[in-house]
Amino acid sequence: AQKVTQAQTEISVVEKEDVTLDCVYETRDTTYYLFWYKQPPSGELVFLIRRNSFDEQNEISGRYSWNFQKSTSSFNFTITASQVVDSAVYFCALSEAGNYGQNFVFGPGTRLSVLP
Amino acid sequence: DTGVSQNPRHKITKRGQNVTFRCDPISEHNRLYWYRQTLGQGPEFLTYFQNEAQLEKSRLLSDRFSAERPKGSFSTLEIQRTEQGDSAMYLCASRDARSSYNEQFFGPGTRLTVL
Repeated sequence: AQKVTQAQTEISVVEKEDVTLDCVYETRDTTYYLFWYKQPPSGELVFLIRRNSFDEQNEISGRYSWNFQKSTSSFNFTITASQVVDSAVYFCALSEAGNYGQNFVFGPGTRLSVLP
Repeated sequence: DTGVSQNPRHKITKRGQNVTFRCDPISEHNRLYWYRQTLGQGPEFLTYFQNEAQLEKSRLLSDRFSAERPKGSFSTLEIQRTEQGDSAMYLCASRDARSSYNEQFFGPGTRLTVL
């Protein structure tokens, strides 16, 4: 069965600090996809990053970076030099290639508050 | 605006009434998904369509729920005889199944409150 855990319920940081959001997943598929979405107070889920299970290369995109480690089933997400506009709930999601519909399983979310 | 749209944005109803929500996906997307999100939780999968065919329904989708996508474009989600436990945000998402980029694009959601 697929499952996503985000152990951090809420995080508060001061603007310009770096912050890392943790995500641990469970799946029996060998091919799967991992995502991070942001949900601001307006409610709309905004796609941030995607990673395939067969590519463990970690990357940086602007202020966002991610650390994907299959050995520990973790897909952590880092925001560098946080800004007040980064305040939102962040969701990690898993999609299995063996699931034809490839619907997402989401974690419970981490609420990030960036204080000025 | 070419994103996913949902109507209405908010719906307040009394227990026992029927409600219907609409989702208009991104025009070239052939897959459409419905999710439900309760307060403080992540979205949970309800059902999805490939074109007009409903291919999967989760166990969360009781027989009071029905979804359609009659022409493979917009979709409707109907809840009959609403219960207070149906109060949630209902999210619609779409993607192009032919694309290797399988992220889903979400609409703003319909927040349902059952009194």
